[in-house]
Amino acid sequence: EAQVTQNPRYLITVTGKKLTVTCSQNMNHEYMSWYRQDPGLGLRQIYYSMNVEVTDKGDVPEGYKVSRKEKRNFPLILESPSPNQTSLYFCASSSWGSGTDTQYFGPGTRLTVL
Amino acid sequence: RKEVEQDPGPFNVPEGATVAFNCTYSNSASQSFFWYRQDCRKEPKLLMSVYSSGNEDGRFTAQLNRASQYISLLIRDSKLSDSATYLCVSNHQTGNQFYFGTGTSLTVIP
Repeated sequence: EAQVTQNPRYLITVTGKKLTVTCSQNMNHEYMSWYRQDPGLGLRQIYYSMNVEVTDKGDVPEGYKVSRKEKRNFPLILESPSPNQTSLYFCASSSWGSGTDTQYFGPGTRLTVL
Repeated sequence: RKEVEQDPGPFNVPEGATVAFNCTYSNSASQSFFWYRQDCRKEPKLLMSVYSSGNEDGRFTAQLNRASQYISLLIRDSKLSDSATYLCVSNHQTGNQFYFGTGTSLTVIP
């Protein structure tokens, strides 16, 4: 089954404790992206990657890191989480073409930073 | 100014009604447009892409007006299962970044 998986689905942590949210897709997609969704603000793009070893900042990259060492994986790293990073996070992937391709989203990770 | 703006609603309509959502975008370099559907606490899923000539998929019709920089979604014969939040999305000429609206909430009432 074609899918994007994220782990963990739920995470409660404390300020300053480094964490990683994993994202993996099995569709051989070139493009992968991370979003956060907050009430009243909608989905905002954090980072995206057009292919292996190619990553770029989205609208809200501060406090986040990503890496793309393999085509299927795109982990999101919070080196020192803070309460304002409490949010619902989605990973997405798409087959890179003209930018019109469908983005497939993972099920989301609900992160709470105390 | 936000890249993409939508009326958050909520829209509460009876079954069988026709409902229309509009969305405006601020950047004339925006190239591609989409409507996504998001059910409560779930991931967004593509409803339809929006083409310059307008396009239809069953009960759903999407239109793009580049001159006025807005896109629309029309849902005919609303079903209870159409209840969801509808997200308007654009991406720029380079096609690298995507901008989501905050979503329009629709509830279809029996």
